[in-house]
Amino acid sequence: GQQVMQIPQYQHVQEGEDFTTYCNSSTTLSNIQWYKQRPGGHPVFLIQLVKSGEVKKQKRLTFQFGEAKKNSSLHITATQTTDVGTYFCAADTGRRALTFGSGTRLQVQP
Amino acid sequence: GAVVSQHPSRVICKSGTSVKIECRSLDFQATTMFWYRQFPKQSLMLMATSNEGSKATYEQGVEKDKFLINHASLTLSTLTVTSAHPEDSSFYICSASVAGGPDTQYFGPGTRLTVL
Repeated sequence: GQQVMQIPQYQHVQEGEDFTTYCNSSTTLSNIQWYKQRPGGHPVFLIQLVKSGEVKKQKRLTFQFGEAKKNSSLHITATQTTDVGTYFCAADTGRRALTFGSGTRLQVQP
Repeated sequence: GAVVSQHPSRVICKSGTSVKIECRSLDFQATTMFWYRQFPKQSLMLMATSNEGSKATYEQGVEKDKFLINHASLTLSTLTVTSAHPEDSSFYICSASVAGGPDTQYFGPGTRLTVL
């Protein structure tokens, strides 16, 4: 079945530092989605990338979809304590269900 | 925006009992809903796809007789964990996408099940 690998598993940064999480698939993806899950909460949709090489920005967050549509990244500039949580990438299996990456847990030290 | 609710948010039960979890789309219709399970500090794993008016599609390794899914209407899907055991303790999350809309999935707040 489709597998989505995500690295790193965990990152601890000082407030103000940048953060990046990477997602890789064994197969070409039709699209990729990113979610954020706060501790004790549920996943919240952040964005969907569809086009090869696509780059989208949401304030301090920059999302990229690789040219081959097999990898993606989320970069946060100048992290804040409100960025704490686990970031998941998720790939559409083709049945509208999602295969989630393993997630990257971000801890921000004030 | 689209809102999905789940009930109950938290349940503690004895081993051997059955637990029903409800997932509702509050302001939209969802022909398809999805059930995921998340163990502590792990990712979400798809359990099954719930289709309104038809049988659910289960992922490999998920026992359909243990995790009963009913999608009775366009706004309600239920997951019943039958004869629950401690290893079934987990965070169960449903999601739904708007019928005829984009692929964006809206997640419910989750149900934390603890089986003693």
